[in-house]
Formats: sequence, C-alpha cells, structure tokens
Amino acid sequence: DAGVTQSPTHLIKTRGQHVTLRCSPISGHKSVSWYQQVLGQGPQFIFQYYEKEERGRGNFPDRFSARQFPNYSSELNVNALLLGDSALYLCASSLGDRGHDIQYFGAGTRLSVL
Amino acid sequence: AQKVTQAQTEISVVEKEDVTLDCVYETRDTTYYLFWYKQPPSGELVFLIRRNSFDEQNEISGRYSWNFQKSTSSFNFTITASQVVDSAVYFCALSEEKFRSAGGTSYGKLTFGQGTILTVHP
Repeated sequence: DAGVTQSPTHLIKTRGQHVTLRCSPISGHKSVSWYQQVLGQGPQFIFQYYEKEERGRGNFPDRFSARQFPNYSSELNVNALLLGDSALYLCASSLGDRGHDIQYFGAGTRLSVL
Repeated sequence: AQKVTQAQTEISVVEKEDVTLDCVYETRDTTYYLFWYKQPPSGELVFLIRRNSFDEQNEISGRYSWNFQKSTSSFNFTITASQVVDSAVYFCALSEEKFRSAGGTSYGKLTFGQGTILTVHP
C-alpha cells in the first residue's frame, strides 16, 4: 500500500509569492495534519483536518490556510511568503483525529523562499 | 501546556555500542500518548513506537527498547549494539487525547522535542 505522498518535493519561491502544497493520505485514513520543520528543530503543528473539517490550528499567522477534499487529500496554502517560511513541510495522515491515533508522515516538501 | 525536551542535541558512538536517547515531557492531562520517530536524511519521519500514559511496561523490539517512567516524566529510548544504519535524527513526541488551545480544541496534535542527532561510526 502507498504511504503518505506529498508534492512537490522541492519548491523555490520569492518573497511575497503564494504557494500550494499537496498531500495524499494513506488509503483509509480520514485525518491529515500539517507540520512545519525549520532546520535543526522539531516539527511544529500547523493544522489538523478530519472528515473535511478543521480540528485544530497551531500558532501560525492567517497567511497559512488549508483544506481537505472529499477524497481526504489536503492542500496547504501560504500567502505573502516570508524568508522565515523556508522549511520542510510535513504532512501526516491517521485513521482518526485523536491523540492515540498514530500519525504517519510523508517525505515532505522542502520550501525555499528567496 | 505540553512540552517535550530532548536534552541531547548530538550523540556520536562507534558501531556495536549501546546508546540511550533521553526524553522528558510535561503535560497536565492524565491521558496522553508518547511516541518516538526516526528521521533519516531523506526527511520522512518513521514511526517507531507509541505508549499510552496508563501502560508503564517497558517494551523491547529487536535491538530497540523503551523505558517509560511516569514518576520522572521520562520516556527513554535505547538502541543495543548500534549499527551505521541507525544514524538519523530521533524525535520524541507527545499528544493528549484532546488538546485545548486558545482558538478552540485541537485533537491529536503532536508536540515534538528538538530531536537528537545520532551518528554511528563504523
């Protein structure tokens, strides 16, 4: 079975631009979460979606938004990019949206903002 | 607030040595879950183990073992007879059954430590 897939793998943008990152969960998983990992740090929670509803939001500005589609795939959008948005963006999928649900991660999208 | 601390930034060992990665956590909830993930250079976080707060039994899986002690809020990870393929960044993480933030309720949010870079030399 396919794992969590993310696209694109790498992305280079300039300040002020907009970016859309995509994630396909493991088949049967209904929850998708997004994390930002800055170099040298642990991943930071951005969003969680379950059954197309936002279940949680981390401490990120409104420039960050996301949505989940009927097939449970998800998009993360970031507007007005800043240099500090350069990071590895990780998507994780899980069966449910609770703390006990194991989150399985994709390989991430590495975003560079110049 | 939930917090995870991995005090060891980097560890370097020679193959076949045993190595222990430390993890200390903070939470106000009585129901919570602890995880370890491995992140090889490819970037993907690989799930290793999940423990719930009601189960303090230590667990062994091959060369890996985990020691969970609620009294010291620690969940340490030991690799026995380390191998070069064990070289990676290891993350400890915590989730509560229901995380309450200022903006509402967030289910299943993972809070990660800073990670420990493990290098195993041949």
